[in-house]
Amino acid sequence: AQSVSQHNHHVILSEAASLELGCNYSYGGTVNLFWYVQYPGQHLQLLLKYFSGDPLVKGIKGFEAEFIKSKFSFNLRKPSVQWSDTAEYFCAVNARILTGGGNKLTFGTGTQLKVEL
Amino acid sequence: DAGVIQSPRHEVTEMGQEVTLRCKPISGHNSLFWYRQTMMRGLELLIYFNNNVPIDDSGMPEDRFSAKMPNASFSTLKIQPSEPRDSAVYFCASSFFGAGGSSYEQYFGPGTRLTVT
Repeated sequence: AQSVSQHNHHVILSEAASLELGCNYSYGGTVNLFWYVQYPGQHLQLLLKYFSGDPLVKGIKGFEAEFIKSKFSFNLRKPSVQWSDTAEYFCAVNARILTGGGNKLTFGTGTQLKVEL
Repeated sequence: DAGVIQSPRHEVTEMGQEVTLRCKPISGHNSLFWYRQTMMRGLELLIYFNNNVPIDDSGMPEDRFSAKMPNASFSTLKIQPSEPRDSAVYFCASSFFGAGGSSYEQYFGPGTRLTVT
């Protein structure tokens, strides 16, 4: 079955620490990859996306992610986190091998990030 | 653009009552998704439509749930009768899907927080 795995369910960091959140997927074909962020009490917002080309993708608010096809991974990184980055982060995958309306996103279970002052 | 619009933002109802949640997708988008989010189960895709046609309703929990999309600018999710375990935040999201350049990325509405007592 298709799946997206986020290994870290809860992460606590101090301000200015570096962040890396893991995301692995199980599809073998062409994929589109996304990271969404959900701030407390808000809806999901797109952080960044990968469709093709440069596997290192830059997003908003200083976030970036690297697509490593051989590892089926799309890890999210930020060199120096801020208190305002406290949120839940979701990795999502669209597997373009799907047919019959293949624009569904499969989401990971999310990683809750808490940044302490 | 106003983004995805959902109403109501909060709904409190008694067990057994009918609940109708509403969604207006972003103009020009032709895919609409209904999600449910709870602490226990995370983010779940309930159903999605392409060009007003339901494509995948395998996530609809049971017959008490139904969704319609009578036109490109409006969708409803109905729960009848409602139960306390239906308490959750229900998100609607929209995207563009087509041969001319699907973006696959989904834009989420603010959500409806449903409480069934």
